[in-house]
Amino acid sequence: KNEVEQSPQNLTAQEGEFITINCSYSVGISALHWLQQHPGGGIVSLFMLSSGKKKHGRLIATINIQEKHSSLHITASHPRDSAVYICAVERYDMRFGAGTRLTVKP
Amino acid sequence: NAGVTQTPKFRVLKTGQSMTLLCAQDMNHEYMYWYRQDPGMGLRLIHYSVGEGTTAKGEVPDGYNVSRLKKQNFLLGLESAAPSQTSVYFCASSYPRHEQFFGPGTRLTVL
Repeated sequence: KNEVEQSPQNLTAQEGEFITINCSYSVGISALHWLQQHPGGGIVSLFMLSSGKKKHGRLIATINIQEKHSSLHITASHPRDSAVYICAVERYDMRFGAGTRLTVKP
Repeated sequence: NAGVTQTPKFRVLKTGQSMTLLCAQDMNHEYMYWYRQDPGMGLRLIHYSVGEGTTAKGEVPDGYNVSRLKKQNFLLGLESAAPSQTSVYFCASSYPRHEQFFGPGTRLTVL
């Protein structure tokens, strides 16, 4: 079993919809990261969380340490949000989920 | 600021050849990382460094060596390339317990 599980693997939404991507992990961590990778390959860090909730524009990330679960929410989704979203957990090293491929249709 | 840069961007090697990938950052970050990304496997940590002169193994270190002689540079070496090392390699850097900044990637093909 992978240490970091993401769901769903693929997600298609209409522009304007509210999006939720989930991440569950099975190990103790010091922090959790959400990354975005657009077609063409560049990787950008969206959030780093160790507790609670963070918001940046239309993106919100939450983490529940007791339940070992994090969610990434996108409000008012837009076609430019189409990308792969990757959850990663940080211990002494880094372990990654397989990613969620999001497609937002106009 | 250039951020995190990687050299080269593309490379084709024959089995058994050696090469070095260079990662450079101009943000004075303590931590640096080398990852590989393969279809169906996601990102995996190869080696990392928490400071100049220090390195540590990640999840998939076999077949790779690294060096961090200067704080701003992290080198990844392949002594004898194998087809299984065909991948996209990403470097990243960060302050301790902060978000990571990624380089643009190096696409390596081993024939």
